[in-house]
Amino acid sequence: GENVEQHPSTLSVQEGDSAVIKCTYSDSASNYFPWYKQELGKRPQLIIDIRSNVGEKKDQRIAVTLNKTAKHFSLHITETQPEDSAVYFCAGTNYGGSQGNLIFGKGTKLSVKP
Amino acid sequence: GAGVSQSPSNKVTEKGKDVELRCDPISGHTALYWYRQSLGQGLEFLIYFQGNSAPDKSGLPSDRFSAERTGGSVSTLTIQRTQQEDSAVYLCASSLVGRVTDTQYFGPGTRLTVL
Repeated sequence: GENVEQHPSTLSVQEGDSAVIKCTYSDSASNYFPWYKQELGKRPQLIIDIRSNVGEKKDQRIAVTLNKTAKHFSLHITETQPEDSAVYFCAGTNYGGSQGNLIFGKGTKLSVKP
Repeated sequence: GAGVSQSPSNKVTEKGKDVELRCDPISGHTALYWYRQSLGQGLEFLIYFQGNSAPDKSGLPSDRFSAERTGGSVSTLTIQRTQQEDSAVYLCASSLVGRVTDTQYFGPGTRLTVL
C-alpha cells in the first residue's frame, strides 16, 4: 500500500518569505495528491491538489509541483502571511482493494512570524 | 448548507469501556470516511463507506474498532474495550460521490480521552 512521508515536521518563516513543504510517496500507482490545511482548533480543508498528469499547479500564492519519476511532490507558499500559520497535510492515493482512499503524511506545522 | 457534524465533541471514558462516536455527513454525499488524528501522527485512515458497497475497513487498527453507516447517511464508529492508546481526535469526512479525487469535507472531530 501507499506510504507518504512529509518533511519538515515544523517550519518557521518570517512574514513575506517563502515556505516549502516536501512529501514523498511509495506507490507508483498513486495519481492524485491533495494538500489540506488545518488551522488551530479547526477542521482540515483542501487548499490545492494535483493529478499525476500535471507537473505543476498554481493558485495565487500557493503552488504544488510533482515529480513522478522521483515520487515526490511539494507545496510552495510565497509571500507568507501570519494567516498561513497552520498544519499542512499532504496525501497520496491508495487503491489497494477499494475505489481508493487518501493516505496522509504526518503534517507540517508552519509558523509565520510577523 | 450544513457541513459535516460530529458528536460528542469531547468524550472522556475509562479504560475498558465501550464508546460510540457519531458522524452526520453533508446531505447528499455518498461517501464517508473516518480518520484518527493522534498527536504528531497526522491523519490516519480508518474506514471508508461508499454508497451501498461493502466498506473498506483496511485501516481499522484492531477488531475492537468497528463502524456502521445506516441508511447511507449517519455513521457510528464504535471502539470496544477502550485502551489509553485510543486517545485521539476522531475525524469524519464526507465527499460527494466517493471518487478519490473528490474533495473531502471534514467534521470538527471528537476528542476521545481514555483514562
